[in-house]
Amino acid sequence: SQQGEEDPQALSIQEGENATMNCSYKTSINNLQWYRQNSGRGLVHLILIRSNEREKHSGRLRVTLDTSKKSSSLLITASRAADTASYFCASPSGNTPLVFGKGTRLSVIA
Amino acid sequence: DGGITQSPKYLFRKEGQNVTLSCEQNLNHDAMYWYRQDPGQGLRLIYYSQIVNDFQKGDIAEGYSVSREKKESFPLTVTSAQKNPTAFYLCASSNLPGQGGHGYTFGSGTRLTVV
Repeated sequence: SQQGEEDPQALSIQEGENATMNCSYKTSINNLQWYRQNSGRGLVHLILIRSNEREKHSGRLRVTLDTSKKSSSLLITASRAADTASYFCASPSGNTPLVFGKGTRLSVIA
Repeated sequence: DGGITQSPKYLFRKEGQNVTLSCEQNLNHDAMYWYRQDPGQGLRLIYYSQIVNDFQKGDIAEGYSVSREKKESFPLTVTSAQKNPTAFYLCASSNLPGQGGHGYTFGSGTRLTVV
């Protein structure tokens, strides 16, 4: 698997605003996954987008994938304080386990 | 409900002592993984297993050992050879590629502290 590089490292927004975080990767992918980690907890799988998809929605989450730029973005609309967490992207390659980067730390201020 | 359970939530280890972290899943997943997370850092892979009685080293396997005697269980032993074991340990499970890519399911973690 390849490590996704999340950007920015940290993001602070007001409640109600939209949050956008980005993920870049180096080699071709079959799918790309986004995860959330609340402080002191395990990661939670949010959404998986396949290489033949350009956009995917799940509730207030929107993920886009641009394979030509080797990048993906995660948009959280109408952020809430409960969205405060770290967000990670990862992409599997063959049978090798997922590799996770340092993530984006999102703080949503009420 | 299906899920993955890690225990204990908090664990304290004395110098020179081996400790074992438990990870159990009832999701019928073939693959299981152990990751280590240090403060403000990403996850680093310790060991993984894709089939019973078989496992592979990850990037930081030194000072750790695992077993996979049952599909549901993948315990991690932190041995005295691991010189800096204080960290947050995460266990995960998944289907294998080709079984449907639905991502990893993680446990809630074990925080290990050396005293």
